[in-house]
Amino acid sequence: DGGITQSPKYLFRKEGQNVTLSCEQNLNHDAMYWYRQDPGQGLRLIYYSQIVNDFQKGDIAEGYSVSREKKESFPLTVTSAQKNPTAFYLCASSPDRGSTDTQYFGPGTRLTVL
Amino acid sequence: AQKITQTQPGMFVQEKEAVTLDCTYDTSDQSYGLFWYKQPSSGEMIFLIYQGSYDEQNATEGRYSLNFQKARKSANLVISASQLGDSAMYFCAMREGQTGRRALTFGSGTRLQVQP
Repeated sequence: DGGITQSPKYLFRKEGQNVTLSCEQNLNHDAMYWYRQDPGQGLRLIYYSQIVNDFQKGDIAEGYSVSREKKESFPLTVTSAQKNPTAFYLCASSPDRGSTDTQYFGPGTRLTVL
Repeated sequence: AQKITQTQPGMFVQEKEAVTLDCTYDTSDQSYGLFWYKQPSSGEMIFLIYQGSYDEQNATEGRYSLNFQKARKSANLVISASQLGDSAMYFCAMREGQTGRRALTFGSGTRLQVQP
């Protein structure tokens, strides 16, 4: 089946630890995105990548890092510099063809800082 | 300035009735796309419908239609014949085309509850 997978579904982190959230897609999409969602709010863009080995900061990139070494994969690292990382993290991908293409989302990862 | 505004934090509708969820947007781009997503309690974002800024007709997808009024910068979602499974959060989003960044900007969402 074609789609986007995220792992783990739930993640617990101690303060001061870095953690990495996985995102994989087999849709052959060029662009991939990471969003953060806090309770009762909309999604905010963390990072996005339109091509392998290139990525751009979104609105709330501080305390996060990404890599795009393969077209299929776009892992997000939440570093200890992120002051309030407890949130729901959603990964998305799209064919990236102008304003008309649609982003498809993975099931998300819920991160809790203990 | 907020680019996507959803003014209804919560809405109730009776099963089998129609409901309209409001969305207004702000952009200086001529080319842009408007999207609606559904987020059930599981958390996954489900794509519902898309409207391009140059599309002359309102988009429709099954029970979903988009009431696009370009001059008023509104893109309201209409759900006809509501079902209990429609209870969820609904998000309006915009992607700016030529000059803007190539990612979605989301509104704060509307929680829809369908009552039997």
